[in-house]
Amino acid sequence: SQQGEEDPQALSIQEGENATMNCSYKTSINNLQWYRQNSGRGLVHLILIRSNEREKHSGRLRVTLDTSKKSSSLLITASRAADTASYFCATDTGRRALTFGSGTRLQVQP
Amino acid sequence: EAGVAQSPRYKIIEKRQSVAFWCNPISGHATLYWYQQILGQGPKLLIQFQNNGVVDDSQLPKDRFSAERLKGVDSTLKIQPAKLEDSAVYLCASSPLGGRTYYEQYFGPGTRLTVT
Repeated sequence: SQQGEEDPQALSIQEGENATMNCSYKTSINNLQWYRQNSGRGLVHLILIRSNEREKHSGRLRVTLDTSKKSSSLLITASRAADTASYFCATDTGRRALTFGSGTRLQVQP
Repeated sequence: EAGVAQSPRYKIIEKRQSVAFWCNPISGHATLYWYQQILGQGPKLLIQFQNNGVVDDSQLPKDRFSAERLKGVDSTLKIQPAKLEDSAVYLCASSPLGGRTYYEQYFGPGTRLTVT
């Protein structure tokens, strides 16, 4: 079963704009991760945030986590055409097997 | 470092036939996972191995799916007999037992299965 629901399901923006996608989950977690999946490529790990962290940055990525609301958001700043992909949140209860959300399809128009 | 290798990349079979997928994880990664990704959905865990032992196979349809990881390295996932709803991409991933990337998973390119 899918642990999380992502919102929006699809997002289209112009190059240079920021993209925000949200993820909600149901059970207690050890950590939450975001992955990117390009057409024709496998899943690539982007960033991990632990349950005791509230915010984390990596390059143009900013992730927040609110465990009281069981939600997370991923912000991509100054988007590029190469950011066009599907983005998935995935939760880990500590057993390291991941439960993925349904994904957000991001289209960045040049 | 070489990534996770999977073969074949594509497979088309008729329903009720059998099929097998192969995965070679990143060298030294003790944990191996198989996920099923149906079009338009996120991946769903089928089975998790640590070395050659099964950690979690609660979502594996054991009446038709089987998986093994001999010698704690390569793994094969088999479907017999296949159903139309098995059409999906089968992803293999691996992760180390320790270190900074302990919780991260490294995915292979996947095998796209079409059952007709």
